[in-house]
Amino acid sequence: EVQLVESGGGLVQPGGSLRLSCAASGFTFSAYGMNWVRQAPGKGLEWVSYISSSHTTMYYADSVKGRFTISRDKAKNSLYLQMNSLRAEDTAMYYCAREGFDYRVENHYYYMDVWGKGTTVTVSS
Amino acid sequence: QSVLTQPPSVSGAPGQRVTISCTGSSSNIGAGYDVQWYQQVPGTAPKLLIYGNSNRPSGVPDRFSGSKSGTSASLAISGLQAEDEADYYCQSYDSSLSGFRVFGTGTKVTVL
Repeated sequence: EVQLVESGGGLVQPGGSLRLSCAASGFTFSAYGMNWVRQAPGKGLEWVSYISSSHTTMYYADSVKGRFTISRDKAKNSLYLQMNSLRAEDTAMYYCAREGFDYRVENHYYYMDVWGKGTTVTVSS
Repeated sequence: QSVLTQPPSVSGAPGQRVTISCTGSSSNIGAGYDVQWYQQVPGTAPKLLIYGNSNRPSGVPDRFSGSKSGTSASLAISGLQAEDEADYYCQSYDSSLSGFRVFGTGTKVTVL
């Protein structure tokens, strides 16, 4: 079964750090780009970060750039998000999502096709 | 606030057809970037409904359809069912954003 399982969330004080993990199983992890997406309580989805399958390309939302670092470990089939200098506005459910693809003659399509159940991060004193 | 704007809510009776718009600009949908749609039942993770503007992943009912024109995209749900009550998000790419990826503001679909 294709599956993503997040862990590492919790309560942290403003200015603190947290490292989220996402364990992948049931597919060839190294073949896919991966994303982190978050959702603040009662709010919509916000894309946070992306890392390519080859580890060479990383993107970040402006709201987290310079504070968060995405990484992955092929041997452990795992995705990570190191979060530093946390703020109250980082409080959210954090999801990891696989970047699926469909290569056709006319176009290459990319989409987030597998999602974990999420891990909750609360930043509060 | 997102660069992709959706109506906060839409509603319809069972069996009816509803549409959700996703309005962008020349730096995202209008630039030719593809649009995806996700369904999120409260308390659960999002689920991919449509990719590449109009393609349905296997397992998604053909009651769901997507289209794109100009700087906007739309998701249509025909034969509305009680189980379709959820939040729906469009997603695309924007060349003005450092990370490119962006979600719409989200739409709550209520089945009357």
